[in-house]
Amino acid sequence: RKEVEQDPGPFNVPEGATVAFNCTYSNSASQSFFWYRQDCRKEPKLLMSVYSSGNEDGRFTAQLNRASQYISLLIRDSKLSDSATYLCVVNSPGAGSYQLTFGKGTKLSVIP
Amino acid sequence: DAGVTQSPTHLIKTRGQQVTLRCSPISGHKSVSWYQQVLGQGPQFIFQYYEKEERGRGNFPDRFSARQFPNYSSELNVNALLLGDSALYLCASSFTREESTDTQYFGPGTRLTVL
Repeated sequence: RKEVEQDPGPFNVPEGATVAFNCTYSNSASQSFFWYRQDCRKEPKLLMSVYSSGNEDGRFTAQLNRASQYISLLIRDSKLSDSATYLCVVNSPGAGSYQLTFGKGTKLSVIP
Repeated sequence: DAGVTQSPTHLIKTRGQQVTLRCSPISGHKSVSWYQQVLGQGPQFIFQYYEKEERGRGNFPDRFSARQFPNYSSELNVNALLLGDSALYLCASSFTREESTDTQYFGPGTRLTVL
């Protein structure tokens, strides 16, 4: 089982749609969780951290279920500018330190 | 404030050669991590350095090495390059090594092509 697994995608949605991304992780000792956004041929940029209580930032809502080892990201009212690859990221103990482990990413294309 | 900077932006090498990539962290950040991202995959952890010492290492061969300098900048070295080393190499910095909670900020990356 891969350490971090995401919906394979791609997701093609019209402007204004609501889209949900799912992610599961295998290491129960993982401590922190993030969604990063990566535009084509650019570096990943932090979109939001994910907390057990759930957190919202404008049109974006992230949820964490530690018991199920499941993370989600909901984007409401999709904009063209939301087109990117969304990376689920888990901070887990590794050899000597915590390490960020990335999912493969889910590509989102928002269509006019 | 300047973010994480990396050099060079692009690099073309041939098999068997050696390469050195450079990274300067955000001012005040003491931890630097290196990642390799091959096309179509998420970044994969290579090394973490904190206060000039290696604190973590991913599943990469000994051809990969790194170091961190007193000013917290870092270099990643790859020897005996293989075609499969072609990738985007990302550097990320964070304030501490307490990365169970610390946020990492990524540089723009160095795109390495091995011919």
